[in-house]
Amino acid sequence: DIQLAQSPSTLSASVGDTVSITCRASQSVRDWLAWYQQKPGKAPQVLIYKASRLESGVPSRFSGSGSGTEFTLTISSLQPDDFATYYCQQYDRYASFGGGTKVEIK
Amino acid sequence: QVQLVESGGGVVQPGGSLRLSCAASGFTFSIYAMHWVRQTPDKGLEWLAFIRYDGSNEYYADSVKGRFSISRDNSKNTVDLQMNSLRADDTAVYYCAKDSSAWSAEYFQHWGQGTLVTVSS
Repeated sequence: DIQLAQSPSTLSASVGDTVSITCRASQSVRDWLAWYQQKPGKAPQVLIYKASRLESGVPSRFSGSGSGTEFTLTISSLQPDDFATYYCQQYDRYASFGGGTKVEIK
Repeated sequence: QVQLVESGGGVVQPGGSLRLSCAASGFTFSIYAMHWVRQTPDKGLEWLAFIRYDGSNEYYADSVKGRFSISRDNSKNTVDLQMNSLRADDTAVYYCAKDSSAWSAEYFQHWGQGTLVTVSS
């Protein structure tokens, strides 16, 4: 099984900040990695797929980078709607998720 | 727009069975692979099962292999998850999710709202 480790587990930030979340895979997943946003009581929603491709309708302040075993989700100019929990997911071999990063208001 | 609506959740005793169903609309169901994923506060998000667009291939997580079975009916636009030999640690919110692909397990492009399964005596 491919394990995904996200860091940090919690991130405190202010509106307008630029924040980054890291996802490390236990083995190479090439660029088969997606990022999701989840708000309390709601299902996750995809933001980024294939490591760096923006899903249709997702604001351009979200960006993804990386390949192999290390990936980053960056949110530029954090907006009030962005305070949520973020998950990475690999789909190189079946699927697995990272443990999540909660972005909270400082 | 894409809609996925799960049903069938509830309370079941350990060792019991439950069948979840997911009704899809707003897209051509028969050309997309589908998944079931669950979520708990402790273990987070866990992928469970995949079925190819035509039902020709299924994959399962080790944690549910042999106990859970995924199936689909392209004439009714539904995907089901039959869950047997349920345990307390199967307690979770269960989501169905539409894949971005027809053939292989890729990313989850759309999700249902989830249905809660509680395994308890």
